[in-house]
Amino acid sequence: SQQGEEDPQALSIQEGENATMNCSYKTSINNLQWYRQNSGRGLVHLILIRSNEREKHSGRLRVTLDTSKKSSSLLITASRAADTASYFCATFNTGNQFYFGTGTSLTVIP
Amino acid sequence: DTGVSQNPRHKITKRGQNVTFRCDPISEHNRLYWYRQTLGQGPEFLTYFQNEAQLEKSRLLSDRFSAERPKGSFSTLEIQRTEQGDSAMYLCASESGALGNTEAFFGQGTRLTVV
Repeated sequence: SQQGEEDPQALSIQEGENATMNCSYKTSINNLQWYRQNSGRGLVHLILIRSNEREKHSGRLRVTLDTSKKSSSLLITASRAADTASYFCATFNTGNQFYFGTGTSLTVIP
Repeated sequence: DTGVSQNPRHKITKRGQNVTFRCDPISEHNRLYWYRQTLGQGPEFLTYFQNEAQLEKSRLLSDRFSAERPKGSFSTLEIQRTEQGDSAMYLCASESGALGNTEAFFGQGTRLTVV
């Protein structure tokens, strides 16, 4: 079974707004990664945050990690129509297993 | 294009037939993963290779599934006696560096339809 759960399952916003997605996981982790997937395509790595980090930025992306709550969030600022995709969190836990969450489907309306 | 190549991109097969997929990872990457993804779900881990050694196998990988990476380069995933429930996208990923601490590069996947 999958390790993580994203919330919400689907999100629809207007272009220019911010999008926030959350991920919860179950076991201890070494790191947590966020990936993006356009419909019917492979996954593209967005950002990796290690278990000893609390926040990380990359361009319009901001990721937070709270290991005490076993949760992470991905914020996309100033969204664009091209950000429309599914977003997955993935955890690599201390048992050397790499698991993806169920994903958030983001739609950015032009 | 991430540099990970999967073939074929699409495969339609009749139930009971065997199918084989190929993954060519980024050449210097020593680790290779296979995942399966069904519609509306996240990828599910199937198996992982470090060079030619298959180090982890998910319980999802039934006896009908076998994966190889004979020379530590390309990998194949074979499904014998396919069932309709095997219909999914099969994704391959490769990475190098410290285990689990680097990004994985994914191929575009092979979409299998079992009719």
